[in-house]
This record gives sequence, C-alpha cells and structure tokens, in this order.
Amino acid sequence: QQQVKQSPQSLIVQKGGISIINCAYENTAFDYFPWYQQFPGKGPALLIAIRPDVSEKKEGRFTISFNKSAKQFSLHIMDSQPGDSATYFCAASGGMNYGGSQGNLIFGKGTKLSVKP
Amino acid sequence: DAGVTQSPTHLIKTRGQQVTLRCSPKSGHDTVSWYQQALGQGPQFIFQYYEEEERQRGNFPDRFSGHQFPNYSSELNVNALLLGDSALYLCASRARGFQETQYFGPGTRLLVL
Repeated sequence: QQQVKQSPQSLIVQKGGISIINCAYENTAFDYFPWYQQFPGKGPALLIAIRPDVSEKKEGRFTISFNKSAKQFSLHIMDSQPGDSATYFCAASGGMNYGGSQGNLIFGKGTKLSVKP
Repeated sequence: DAGVTQSPTHLIKTRGQQVTLRCSPKSGHDTVSWYQQALGQGPQFIFQYYEEEERQRGNFPDRFSGHQFPNYSSELNVNALLLGDSALYLCASRARGFQETQYFGPGTRLLVL
C-alpha cells in the first residue's frame, strides 16, 4: 500500500521555467514532509521540508506548498536551471516515534526532472 | 565534518550468499536508519537503530538484520540473497530530538547474480 503518491513520473522544463511536482498522502498522522533531490549514483539530499502548521515554506528558488485539508503538498522550483536536473522525491513521516518526532520516512516513487538549456 | 559514509560502494554476490554493509553516521548523530532503493523507485525503510537496538522495522523479512555499535556505526546483514535484493542500500543518520533531519549516505550498490 503506497502511502505517498507522487506525480508526474517525469518532467521536462525549459531553463528559467517553473517546475512543479505534486504529492498526496493518506495517513493523517504524518507531521513532517521533506523533499529530497537525488543525482545519479548519489544518495538523496534534503532540499526543503515543511510541517502541517504552515501552508508554505520558501528557501531560495524552492517552495513547498502544503494543503492539509486536501492532504497534498507540492514542490515548486522557480527559475529552473540545467543543474536542477535530477530525481526528486517527496516523503512523509509522522507520529511520535521513539527518540523524537521523526520515524521512518515514507517516500514517493520519484519525479525525474530534466531542465533543457 | 564528514557526512554519512558507507562501504563498500559496490558489491556483487550470487544467490544464496550473505552480505554485510557498513555505515558510519554523521558526526553528532546517534540514530541510524537503513533503506533499500530499487532501480527507478523511492527508498523503502528497512529498520532503524538507536542505543544499539532495533527500534522500528519496515516490511522486510528476517533475512535482513542489523547491528549498531557503541560508536553509533551500523551494519546491515542480508542472508540467503535473492535476485530481488539487488538494489542501492542507503544509510541515513540523525540526532535525536525534535525537527532533526535525516542525512543520507551515498549508498552501496548490491548486485545479486
């Protein structure tokens, strides 16, 4: 049972354009929603994360929009650059787990972004 | 400050063999999680170790086991390897506490023939 659904599977954007990736979750106990960026042959690297008490978080060119009632969140990459070409994963975790608020991360299947020059 | 390190980077095994993968967490981190990432898929949680004990476990069979040492480093062991175990195995570490982020290592690419 997939608890985090991510779309689209792949995305092609022109340089300078806006890349938008969407995720939907099922478990209302989730309280932490990170986005990871992964380049080929590398481990995932945290881009930006949000908690349900805010509807939007911005860090540089990256923005997360969060809709708690719809159980959806999205990543916007403004002024997309060829160097942003990578696979992006949304994830979720939640509930009070042993040792803190984060337990295991449930990942979406990923979106392969290609930014054309 | 070294991040999460994993060894080896690549490994080739045959069906039925056993494998041990190693992980050193980021400095200051005491909690280690292991994930399996099949080709073209998102990482899937295997288990998490804290204070040298398995604290949480995902939907993986008992062939997958682990260990955490007093210096917080960790091992992932997989017995009776199957072709389907071929994947990138990722280690992630974090420090206990609220709003702490998990940092991933580069992974170990395991190929089972």
